[in-house]
Amino acid sequence: AQSVTQLGSHVSVSEGALVLLRCNYSSSVPPYLFWYVQYPNQGLQLLLKYTTGATLVKGINGFEAEFKKSETSFHLTKPSAHMSDAAEYFCAVIRSGGYQKVTFGTGTKLQVIP
Amino acid sequence: SQTIHQWPATLVQPVGSPLSLECTVEGTSNPNLYWYRQAAGRGLQLLFYSVGIGQISSEVPQNLSASRPQDRQFILSSKKLLLSDSGFYLCAWRDKQGLNTIYFGEGSWLTVV
Repeated sequence: AQSVTQLGSHVSVSEGALVLLRCNYSSSVPPYLFWYVQYPNQGLQLLLKYTTGATLVKGINGFEAEFKKSETSFHLTKPSAHMSDAAEYFCAVIRSGGYQKVTFGTGTKLQVIP
Repeated sequence: SQTIHQWPATLVQPVGSPLSLECTVEGTSNPNLYWYRQAAGRGLQLLFYSVGIGQISSEVPQNLSASRPQDRQFILSSKKLLLSDSGFYLCAWRDKQGLNTIYFGEGSWLTVV
């Protein structure tokens, strides 16, 4: 079985400050990992993904995430928060190989304070 | 390129009335299709998934059902809505070959009154 834990359902940062959203996973086989962003009343949009290769992954809107197998983590970061980053962020995991169910975390709402 | 659309975008229905939400995918064939529900503060709950026409798997017991009458069409239905069915419903698709990324539609807001 696989699972995803997002620490902190709400995170507040000041505009221009570092954004750090935490995601830890469990998977019995090498996982594929994803971050999605959801703006109010919209569907989920892919921010970035890790499948194989380089463990530091860059995505849209200046976000990046690093896959750390030893820590079973895939934290999302952005050096400088912008007001437009205010949204809900979801981490997701898929097991590699075979038919793969997608497991999502419970989401983290990011508030950016001017 | 591939696109996914779902409708209606918003729906207000009385308790006990039927429901039909429709989702279509363009630009791909034989995708995996999903219905998720997002209730306030409860994250994404997988309701149904389908790996092919007429093949539906249910993740949670409920009074909702799903059907896949065509390769790229996925329908979420109910014969009698409950108050607890209110929420934001998301359709999604995923290519069976390669990319593993799941892509979402715009979502449908259902309010049962």
